[in-house]
Amino acid sequence: DTAVSQTPKYLVTQMGNDKSIKCEQNLGHDTMYWYKQDSKKFLKIMFSYNNKELIINETVPNRFSPKSPDKAHLNLHINSLELGDSAVYFCASSHTGTSGTEQYFGPGTRLTVT
Amino acid sequence: SQKIEQNSEALNIQEGKTATLTCNYTNYSPAYLQWYRQDPGRGPVFLLLIRENEKEKRKERLKVTFDTTLKQSLFHITASQPADSATYLCALQRSYGQNFVFGPGTRLSVLP
Repeated sequence: DTAVSQTPKYLVTQMGNDKSIKCEQNLGHDTMYWYKQDSKKFLKIMFSYNNKELIINETVPNRFSPKSPDKAHLNLHINSLELGDSAVYFCASSHTGTSGTEQYFGPGTRLTVT
Repeated sequence: SQKIEQNSEALNIQEGKTATLTCNYTNYSPAYLQWYRQDPGRGPVFLLLIRENEKEKRKERLKVTFDTTLKQSLFHITASQPADSATYLCALQRSYGQNFVFGPGTRLSVLP
């Protein structure tokens, strides 16, 4: 069984469109994250979400909005897509009771904006 | 500003040798440091965690050291195998519950 799953795996869309990426974890974790990995392979935190508390990375444009219907899901909605949004987006989860917070990552969603 | 560097973008070694990867950081005082492995087209996979009060951690063929004075972590893979070829990322966490900051990664190639 997949621990952290994301859909879709690939997403190709045009500038200006709105799209969503879904993430689900079946590990019983209480914290979920969204990361962006750009073409240079830097992995940067975008959001973390714990017990309905959202921690936002200040550098993330407000066109990006995470939505968490429950503890097992954290979806990422992106409005008015731009060319610079092209990247691989990873969802991750962890259990806050674990010292050091080991993270489990999903397989990634490759977003291409044309 | 805070900065995390990993010794080189790519590292090639011969099978059977020990691979040593470096993670250096500046303007940062992490309480925890982790190492992840990432294969092409996949998400990172957790390997090892070391705390600021620990000098060394081992897991099978893997060994991590953490020198808070030098602001450096070394990641060793002994008796390396071609299957160890991947990108290895270090990640620092300032304190418990804080977000992790990842280094740029080192792409390791173990040649048969």
